[in-house]
Amino acid sequence: DVKVTQSSRYLVKRTGEKVFLECVQDMDHENMFWYRQDPGLGLRLIYFSYDVKMKEKGDIPEGYSVSREKKERFSLILESASTNQTSMYLCASKWQTSNSPLHFGNGTRLTVT
Amino acid sequence: LAKTTQPISMDSYEGQEVNITCSHNNIATNDYITWYQQFPSQGPRFIIQGYKTKVTNEVASLFIPADRKSSTLSLPRVSLSDTAVYYCLVGGYNKLIFGAGTRLAVHP
Repeated sequence: DVKVTQSSRYLVKRTGEKVFLECVQDMDHENMFWYRQDPGLGLRLIYFSYDVKMKEKGDIPEGYSVSREKKERFSLILESASTNQTSMYLCASKWQTSNSPLHFGNGTRLTVT
Repeated sequence: LAKTTQPISMDSYEGQEVNITCSHNNIATNDYITWYQQFPSQGPRFIIQGYKTKVTNEVASLFIPADRKSSTLSLPRVSLSDTAVYYCLVGGYNKLIFGAGTRLAVHP
């Protein structure tokens, strides 16, 4: 079974802090994704990566950056956390083929106070 | 990029068949249609995927008409444990955008 592991289940940070959310997958997937999920808004794509050191913006990249130095790891960075970034963050990975489904982690619930 | 539209919510009763339809008018030739299920405090999980016609697995069926501009997820004889949010996702391998999902509530 594919395993996508997010480093923290719950995280509380203060406004202005730099926050790192880590995601690791064990299936050698080429593509990795970061989504945030808020009540009533569904899943919104922040960034995705299709290869090491490659990244593309999703629909809501403002206030976020990402890093993919190794194939199995995809990090989401909040350079200066703000209260409107309080959310559930979900990482996913998949093969780089059209019919490969996404495999999700269980999410990190981030609260910025 | 194909945008998807689903009903916001649906209600059903145990033992009934539930059909959730998703419209995706600008689906691309190479796009697959994939459905996910999400329970509270968990990531979405894969249910079923198809390209055209009908696909069936142990938990659901997926009906896709010839023009592929919509798809219908069919859940036979739902139980309380099928209460969840269901997402239809259309796309290939890169910028995968989810719709708002359908919140299914199954009642005793």
